[in-house]
Amino acid sequence: GAGVSQTPSNKVTEKGKYVELRCDPISGHTALYWYRQSLGQGPEFLIYFQGTGAADDSGLPNDRFFAVRPEGSVSTLKIQRTERGDSAVYLCASSPIAGATTGELFFGEGSRLTVL
Amino acid sequence: GENVGLHLPTLSVQEGDNSIINCAYSNSASDYFIWYKQESGKGPQFIIDIRSNMDKRQGQRVTVLLNKTVKHLSLQIAATQPGDSAVYFCAEMSGGSNYKLTFGKGTLLTVNP
Repeated sequence: GAGVSQTPSNKVTEKGKYVELRCDPISGHTALYWYRQSLGQGPEFLIYFQGTGAADDSGLPNDRFFAVRPEGSVSTLKIQRTERGDSAVYLCASSPIAGATTGELFFGEGSRLTVL
Repeated sequence: GENVGLHLPTLSVQEGDNSIINCAYSNSASDYFIWYKQESGKGPQFIIDIRSNMDKRQGQRVTVLLNKTVKHLSLQIAATQPGDSAVYFCAEMSGGSNYKLTFGKGTLLTVNP
């Protein structure tokens, strides 16, 4: 597709359940990022991939959160034992060159997660 | 991390007027700043950027000004249009990272026809 695609667009789950959020970046973009945005706040960095490897996962809040990008394209953000505080919009972004000194990221529309 | 915040949470302007959105930052090591626009239900969209060795940068209908002395930057939108209605975020990238953006809280711009 032309832009970053994220699925599902909306996910409602119960506390304690496992959730997977998928990101399909722009074709050819080697850098991929996950951000989390709470209501009324700016996006917060979670993790950054260069190719297949997680170059920086310092933003993941705890070990319930994990992300993979096995073939250097599609990425999945996995959340175990979800808590109500995990409710937020999870944004994925990609950029053409890994480690490029540019702030121009191409964001998807996000996956809105609601934990009941 | 350091704070990147905004002076005004909301701004309402008339169509055709100029808009000015302000942002203050506290990290003196920040050397790269970016403005993003986020429409309702969408992801942030890059508008314009500026590096710390510059004071001003212009794009199409937008100008970003950087005042390093008082750690302040602003986004000026000329002849504001209804399509400019959105939340605007400033973000910074400090010298220690060439990929991690730290976003401010955002300003909601409403353009009245």
